[in-house]
Amino acid sequence: SQTIHQWPATLVQPVGSPLSLECTVEGTSNPNLYWYRQAAGRGLQLLFYSVGIGQISSEVPQNLSASRPQDRQFILSSKKLLLSDSGFYLCAWSFSRQVNQPQHFGDGTRLSIL
Amino acid sequence: ILNVEQSPQSLHVQEGDSTNFTCSFPSSNFYALHWYRWETAKSPEALFVMTLNGDEKKKGRISATLNTKEGYSYLYIKGSQPEDSATYLCAFSGGSGGSNYKLTFGKGTLLTVNP
Repeated sequence: SQTIHQWPATLVQPVGSPLSLECTVEGTSNPNLYWYRQAAGRGLQLLFYSVGIGQISSEVPQNLSASRPQDRQFILSSKKLLLSDSGFYLCAWSFSRQVNQPQHFGDGTRLSIL
Repeated sequence: ILNVEQSPQSLHVQEGDSTNFTCSFPSSNFYALHWYRWETAKSPEALFVMTLNGDEKKKGRISATLNTKEGYSYLYIKGSQPEDSATYLCAFSGGSGGSNYKLTFGKGTLLTVNP
């Protein structure tokens, strides 16, 4: 069976500091990978998705970047955090090459910027 | 910008009541409509992926219907239990420039079932 791990669970960072959130998937190969953010009072917003190693699509212009250095590893980064980067970040995966598949989510990271 | 609306925003029911909520989405260039349940302190869990107009899906006491021509889906819970308390999210894939795996989520309906 497949599992997804996301860490850390909570993070408090000062404005201007860097960020690295990591997500790994086990039990499947070449999954589609996603980063979402839920800001206060808003729905889940897709930030990035990846259909393969080194292939990253950005959905919204922002202060964040994503990388996929290995098949089942997805990293969300920032060089300098802004107050507006606060929120709840979720990583997810789905089977590739199969259409209309459900997405499977990690436990999320609560990011607070001070 | 795709608009996915869910109503009501929140709902309180008594144990044993049946309830339903709505998701509306763009009716053009439809790929799929997803429903997820998100319990507090857990990760969102997939309930249904619906692709065909008129589709009905059922999982235990929870069922969902889909109307792609008018752009809405209903989620029904029969005989609500306290463990059904969660936020129910719908997500749409499609629209101009859309794809099967890019989802646009609604804000969710927060269901509280009182014992």
